[in-house]
Amino acid sequence: EVQLVESGGGLVQPGGSLRLSCAASGFTFSDHYMDWVRQAPGKGLEWVGRTRNKANSYTTEYAASVKGRFTISRDDSKNSLYLQMNSLKTEDTAVYYCASAPPFDYWGQGTLVTVSS
Amino acid sequence: NFMLTQPHSVSESPGKTVTISCTRSSGSIASNYVQWYQQRPGSAPTTVIYEDNQRPSGVPDRFSGSIDSSSNSASLTISGLKTEDEADYYCQSYDSSNPRVFGGGTKLTVL
Repeated sequence: EVQLVESGGGLVQPGGSLRLSCAASGFTFSDHYMDWVRQAPGKGLEWVGRTRNKANSYTTEYAASVKGRFTISRDDSKNSLYLQMNSLKTEDTAVYYCASAPPFDYWGQGTLVTVSS
Repeated sequence: NFMLTQPHSVSESPGKTVTISCTRSSGSIASNYVQWYQQRPGSAPTTVIYEDNQRPSGVPDRFSGSIDSSSNSASLTISGLKTEDEADYYCQSYDSSNPRVFGGGTKLTVL
């Protein structure tokens, strides 16, 4: 059974940092591109960024709204995906999901990040 | 950047058929695959259609996807509506510069 389990969310002050993790199981993690997608309270889905696999040099891409502040990384030996979030803003408040890229499109249950003073 | 436009809400009665549209603002809808996600309240999204019209295992065949190049849109059709189908539905596609672009979501009410 494919499982993606996010962790690391919580309350952080504006300007602060947070690191999210996503533990994968049930599939060959190293083969797949992986995404972070977020959803602000009561709003729609917003793509945050992507990391490609080793065959594609682990290249990353980011949404304009987070570029320069967020960094995606992965550790294939641990079947884990990470999202380092710096210089957080109140508008970054959202549930953050990790997801395998289409067509192998599985999602975790999400972790809530609240940016507030 | 292109946009995907969905109706804000649709409603239909149990047993009926409903279609949710997703219109691409620029670039051809046929050039890049479209995915559809179901999100029930308080839950994570799940894939109901991938690659325009493919159903993941476990998704009932009441769900179907299609694309229409003439209107540059994709559609999700749900037949034999059940109360459990009540959810938000999102379309998603991409291009060479944008790995994932989501529609704004459609709230389906089954009444």
